[in-house]
Amino acid sequence: ETGVTQSPTHLIKTRGQQVTLRCSSQSGHNTVSWYQQALGQGPQFIFQYYREEENGRGNFPPRFSGLQFPNYSSELNVNALELDDSALYLCASSPGRGKDYGYTFGSGTRLTVV
Amino acid sequence: AQRVTQPEKLLSVFKGAPVELKCNYSYSGSPELFWYVQYSRQRLQLLLRHISRESIKGFTADLNKGETSFHLKKPFAQEEDSAMYYCALTGGGFKTIFGAGTRLFVKA
Repeated sequence: ETGVTQSPTHLIKTRGQQVTLRCSSQSGHNTVSWYQQALGQGPQFIFQYYREEENGRGNFPPRFSGLQFPNYSSELNVNALELDDSALYLCASSPGRGKDYGYTFGSGTRLTVV
Repeated sequence: AQRVTQPEKLLSVFKGAPVELKCNYSYSGSPELFWYVQYSRQRLQLLLRHISRESIKGFTADLNKGETSFHLKKPFAQEEDSAMYYCALTGGGFKTIFGAGTRLFVKA
């Protein structure tokens, strides 16, 4: 098992730009979720993918989008970056689609929007 | 709507004392509940799941549907338990909601 890896670890972007964050899920995990964690807060659910299809979404605008690929990798794309998008972005994978499994988390990508 | 509330931002106990980290939830269906832990300079990791009724590192959590609570307990706290603890709920739409977290500090 290689766990969940995310890249890059840190990123600085300018307001209005677009960003792509990448995640490699744990081998065999068909479900991937993305979270935004602002300082001093718990992770906020962005969306979840199961076998390359989105099957759950939190209260984030459409400029937050994602992709999941057959090789257990995934992407989070954010368009038209705003200052409030500055946060730690976490990727988490799970072996199944159901509610029971819990997630394995990556270390996150720290995004700073200036 | 799904909501998870952890009323304490910080909990400080002495080594060997019992510890209880509170978690209250709001959800109209049958949720699954979890506790996650983040030790210093480590990633967030699953501590225990309600469905497995397990005890991990001496911690247990009981689901009280009447009080909509899922408090995390340990009878004798250890210094290595010092960490950030998050309660999480997975409900409909495969959406997982986290609480704001409680920082546990175990004093020697």
